[in-house]
Amino acid sequence: KQEVTQIPAALSVPEGENLVLNCSFTDSAIYNLQWFRQDPGKGLTSLLLIQSSQREQTSGRLNASLDKSSGRSTLYIAASQPGDSATYLCAPIRGQKLVFGQGTRLTINP
Amino acid sequence: KAGVTQTPRYLIKTRGQQVTLSCSPISGHRSVSWYQQTPGQGLQFLFEYFSETQRNKGNFPGRFSGRQFSNSRSEMNVSTLELGDSALYLCASSLEASGAAVEQYFGPGTRLTVT
Repeated sequence: KQEVTQIPAALSVPEGENLVLNCSFTDSAIYNLQWFRQDPGKGLTSLLLIQSSQREQTSGRLNASLDKSSGRSTLYIAASQPGDSATYLCAPIRGQKLVFGQGTRLTINP
Repeated sequence: KAGVTQTPRYLIKTRGQQVTLSCSPISGHRSVSWYQQTPGQGLQFLFEYFSETQRNKGNFPGRFSGRQFSNSRSEMNVSTLELGDSALYLCASSLEASGAAVEQYFGPGTRLTVT
């Protein structure tokens, strides 16, 4: 059974900092991994999808890496802004099923 | 292109009642999945439909059921509601690619409150 852990559970940093969110998973037999953000009371917004054959994926100030062999993924956010405040969730994908961690609640202070 | 839509957005029901939630996927997407989100359990997979067939099912009791129509729209039904069914129910759609897991797009969710 796939288990996903995200560290830290919460993070509060001043605006402008670069930061790293960590995700680990127990079953490396995954196809892809997707990162999402969720604003309070809202649905999930897809940030990045990393194919299992890739090691990195970039979108703007976001960069995600995937190491299937060690069961880890990291999300790097450059030059953080108050609008980045949200909960960030990683989800390894097998078939069409995503398994979610509990997320990292990120607060960027102006 | 319109995103995933879910109706209704908010719902209040009484214990013992049943409820039906609806999800319209992004145009052209044939796979629809449902997730339940609660503060205690987080996001949990309910089931996934493709071409009107349930392909995957999570670990939920039989009170939770779903279906998909020929236009890919999906509904989920919860019968004999319990207080613990109070949650945000999220629907996701994806453009099926043979043998590959592809990016999933989520709707805004339906907030169900059971009293």
